[in-house]
Amino acid sequence: AQSVTQPDIHITVSEGASLELRCNYSYGATPYLFWYVQSPGQGLQLLLKYFSGDTLVQGIKGFEAEFKRSQSSFNLRKPSVHWSDAAEYFCAVVPGGYNKLIFGAGTRLAVHP
Amino acid sequence: DGGITQSPKYLFRKEGQNVTLSCEQNLNHDAMYWYRQDPGQGLRLIYYSQIVNDFQKGDIAEGYSVSREKKESFPLTVTSAQKNPTAFYLCASSRINGDTEAFFGQGTRLTVV
Repeated sequence: AQSVTQPDIHITVSEGASLELRCNYSYGATPYLFWYVQSPGQGLQLLLKYFSGDTLVQGIKGFEAEFKRSQSSFNLRKPSVHWSDAAEYFCAVVPGGYNKLIFGAGTRLAVHP
Repeated sequence: DGGITQSPKYLFRKEGQNVTLSCEQNLNHDAMYWYRQDPGQGLRLIYYSQIVNDFQKGDIAEGYSVSREKKESFPLTVTSAQKNPTAFYLCASSRINGDTEAFFGQGTRLTVV
């Protein structure tokens, strides 16, 4: 079945540590790819997006993500996490030929001081 | 400022009552979306619309209805047929091409008692 998978439901890291959040998709053609962040009780904010071109994309708040076609993955990374990064992170895709945004289940990030 | 406005932020209704959630955007976007968010399930698409007077069912449309009489507005009605309506509802909009990001409102938390 076509889907977006975020394997990690919860992740806890120490402040200053590096972070990688995983995302895999199972659509045939390369979709458009997005990462969003959500603070509790709030809407979603776009961190970054990939449409084509350079497979390493830079986003806001020091985040980056790398598209790997061979692995159908679009993992989100940050070299040094800040306490304010604690939130829920969603990977999303727009499948080729469609115009609707499909979300993964989300990864909740906790940051220890 | 351009953006998406959802109202109200919190909504309480008695079981068996229909309720309508408001979503307005002034971004001149053609496409609008309604998502439902439950803990651990990410965002699930209820309905989406790409043009005025036209809309399509998403993955969980049963028990919901929408209208798109104006480009700026996409109200969602949660009917009494929706078996478990208590949830966080998010509205979004985007340009019509898939290679653009969606912008989200701040959400409406609906509680049915």
